[in-house]
Amino acid sequence: SQELEQSPQSLIVQEGKNLTINCTSSKTLYGLYWYKQKYGEGLIFLMMLQKGGEEKSHEKITAKLDEKKQQSSLHITASQPSHAGIYLCGVGTSYGKLTFGQGTILTVHP
Amino acid sequence: NAGVTQTPKFRVLKTGQSMTLLCAQDMNHEYMYWYRQDPGMGLRLIHYSVGEGTTAKGEVPDGYNVSRLKKQNFLLGLESAAPSQTSVYFCASRPGTSGGLNEQFFGPGTRLTVL
Repeated sequence: SQELEQSPQSLIVQEGKNLTINCTSSKTLYGLYWYKQKYGEGLIFLMMLQKGGEEKSHEKITAKLDEKKQQSSLHITASQPSHAGIYLCGVGTSYGKLTFGQGTILTVHP
Repeated sequence: NAGVTQTPKFRVLKTGQSMTLLCAQDMNHEYMYWYRQDPGMGLRLIHYSVGEGTTAKGEVPDGYNVSRLKKQNFLLGLESAAPSQTSVYFCASRPGTSGGLNEQFFGPGTRLTVL
């Protein structure tokens, strides 16, 4: 089975700082999902990367997929308190099932 | 559209009690899923369904049963709750296979504590 390892496990930044979250797979990545979860709420879909080298942006959040490294990175530019939450990466398997990484907890101090 | 809704939002059970968690979606999605979320472990799949009347086991199915009698509803049952089942439970749905990678839509979660 495919396993995803996220790093760091938690991150505390000052508002306005840039940050990067990594998601490394134990197997080749053929597609990857990024979700965000605010405390006490469900998961919100951010973006999906399908091809090696692909890069997508959603507001100030950019994600890239590096097939060779079996890794995806999520970069937030000029972080804001609204970016705080748990970020999860996931890979799809049969029947649309998702296998998730353990999540990265992001805290942004004003 | 309400999207994916879950009932109840919170519940406290005593060991050995039973309960059913209800998930409903109004997007006419074929596939539905139940996950549990525990600290430091991300989300793990309990059971899933690829259509009305079908169910299948996920990664951590022991101690749970599910039913999908209607396309829009997916029920998760705990017959005899144990403290190890204290967790946050999420339901999700997505369209059936239609090519490409479709994202799952998640409900707000049910926070369950078993004493």
